[in-house]
Amino acid sequence: EDQVTQSPEALRLQEGESSSLNCSYTVSGLRGLFWYRQDPGKGPEFLFTLYSAGEEKEKERLKATLTKKESFLHITAPKPEDSATYLCAGYTGRRALTFGSGTRLQVQP
Amino acid sequence: SQTIHQWPATLVQPVGSPLSLECTVEGTSNPNLYWYRQAAGRGLQLLFYSVGIGQISSEVPQNLSASRPQDRQFILSSKKLLLSDSGFYLCAWSVRQVSQETQYFGPGTRLLVL
Repeated sequence: EDQVTQSPEALRLQEGESSSLNCSYTVSGLRGLFWYRQDPGKGPEFLFTLYSAGEEKEKERLKATLTKKESFLHITAPKPEDSATYLCAGYTGRRALTFGSGTRLQVQP
Repeated sequence: SQTIHQWPATLVQPVGSPLSLECTVEGTSNPNLYWYRQAAGRGLQLLFYSVGIGQISSEVPQNLSASRPQDRQFILSSKKLLLSDSGFYLCAWSVRQVSQETQYFGPGTRLLVL
């Protein structure tokens, strides 16, 4: 069964304190790994798609990386506005994305 | 640019009442369309997807149904709501190309069944 597990469930950082979020997957035939940001009460906002091991993508303070078994979302010098739930999802070529349950990030000033 | 709309934003319904949630996409043609449900503290669960008008695939057996009467319109319905239908319902779209499966989500509808 395809499974995506995110850790930690919740993370509290001080402003400027860099860290990483983990997404491990057991998805057979993975064709894409997606990262989304979700603010409370809103729909997920697309951040990145990674297609192959070794691939990296960056956007402002965020950098996503992919290995054969997991993906990391690195947050460099976060700001309070980076506070949100970050979701990852695996795609196998069938219609459904398999989502993890997310990491709730809180960045304190 | 593409835009996806959902309404209503919030809905409180009694058990046993009917449901109709609507999703429309602007700025694209022939999209794939999806309905997800998100329970509190849990990941998104795919309910239905559609690759074209009148073409609906169900991912889980449930009290809900979906319809696609127009190319860019997707409707989620129920004849009789259950307490367990409460949740955050999200519509999403993707470009209908094998290599472009990034899904873009709407703002969501919060449903509370009492």
